[in-house]
Amino acid sequence: AQRVTQPEKLLSVFKGAPVELKCNYSYSGSPELFWYVQYSRQRLQLLLRHISRESIKGFTADLNKGETSFHLKKPFAQEEDSAMYYCALSGINAGNMLTFGGGTRLMVKP
Amino acid sequence: GAVVSQHPSWVICKSGTSVKIECRSLDFQATTMFWYRQFPKQSLMLMATSNEGSKATYEQGVEKDKFLINHASLTLSTLTVTSAHPEDSSFYICSARDWSLNTQYFGPGTRLTVL
Repeated sequence: AQRVTQPEKLLSVFKGAPVELKCNYSYSGSPELFWYVQYSRQRLQLLLRHISRESIKGFTADLNKGETSFHLKKPFAQEEDSAMYYCALSGINAGNMLTFGGGTRLMVKP
Repeated sequence: GAVVSQHPSWVICKSGTSVKIECRSLDFQATTMFWYRQFPKQSLMLMATSNEGSKATYEQGVEKDKFLINHASLTLSTLTVTSAHPEDSSFYICSARDWSLNTQYFGPGTRLTVL
């Protein structure tokens, strides 16, 4: 069975500090990993996906198959980054359905 | 990006009544839509996968007679909470998959409060 774990429910940092939101997964095969973000009073939206290898809003995430991790990083956090972040996994073994982690609330303090 | 809408955005109803929530993909055809439930400060829990023209696939523990799903067209799926009770109060979110982009787009959610 596929599973996504986000060990931190809350991460609080000061503006300008580096941020790393942890995500670990379990899946037998080659999964596709995503990070979704939900800003206050807004819908869930895709932030980035591992196959794109892109940086969105300064965030990057690298898939580490050895450690089965897909941590989200940003070198300098901004106040507008405060939101709920969800790591998600999709795999052909489960019909390409998204499985979400528990989410991490990022609070960036001024 | 693509847009998924939900209606209503919030609803309050009496215990025992049925509530229908609509999910529409506005600018793409979605053969597959998903219904999630989100409790306060918790993650999204998949309830069911809705496939156009066929029966929905429910996740373990989700009562199919309680949560009726209909996906009659490529742009519309509905979730009907039958005989709602206070424990059904929750935030219901739908998602539609754009297979051409292999991307899921989420609706804004519907907050259901059962008195």
